[in-house]
Amino acid sequence: GNSVTQMEGPVTLSEEAFLTINCTYTATGYPSLFWYVQYPGEGLQLLLKATKADDKGSNKGFEATYRKETTSFHLEKGSVQVSDSAVYFCALSPNRDDKIIFGKGTRLHILP
Amino acid sequence: ETGVTQSPTHLIKTRGQQVTLRCSSQSGHNTVSWYQQALGQGPQFIFQYYREEENGRGNFPPRFSGLQFPNYSSELNVNALELDDSALYLCASSPDRQETQYFGPGTRLLVL
Repeated sequence: GNSVTQMEGPVTLSEEAFLTINCTYTATGYPSLFWYVQYPGEGLQLLLKATKADDKGSNKGFEATYRKETTSFHLEKGSVQVSDSAVYFCALSPNRDDKIIFGKGTRLHILP
Repeated sequence: ETGVTQSPTHLIKTRGQQVTLRCSSQSGHNTVSWYQQALGQGPQFIFQYYREEENGRGNFPPRFSGLQFPNYSSELNVNALELDDSALYLCASSPDRQETQYFGPGTRLLVL
């Protein structure tokens, strides 16, 4: 079946630290991969996406590379800010035209 | 451009009651998906509507039903509410079943 596994949180970092949130997936076929972010009290916002192997998605200083050989899509940012504090969800779209399957989310706390 | 809107924002019901949640899709989007997000979990796909027809359903019982109207707005109905139905219900829209979905702020349902 299709599933997403991401590292458990919470992750606590100091401002300007390097961030990695690990995500691996299981899927039949060639899914599209996403990172969504959820700020406190809000819905989900698309952060970045990648649709094929070796694609790199990027937005607001965040990056993730679609690695088919390791079935991974790790989220990275070189220098985090307090405003990056949120819950981050790794997700995949197996059929590309209906459901999105989400991981359980990783809560990120950035300390000033 | 107006994004996805949902109503109400919060709702309290008692076990056994019925509830209707509403979603207005983003302008130009004819596809609406509904997700349930339990506390501390990732969103789970309930179903999707495309041009007023159901286009995929997740692992939810038949007491979860939906509707999409000619203006592409949508309703989620839940009958015979159970305590475990307490969650944040998210609506997402996209144009022509495209894989990138845009989420509303959600409706938080509490079942007592």
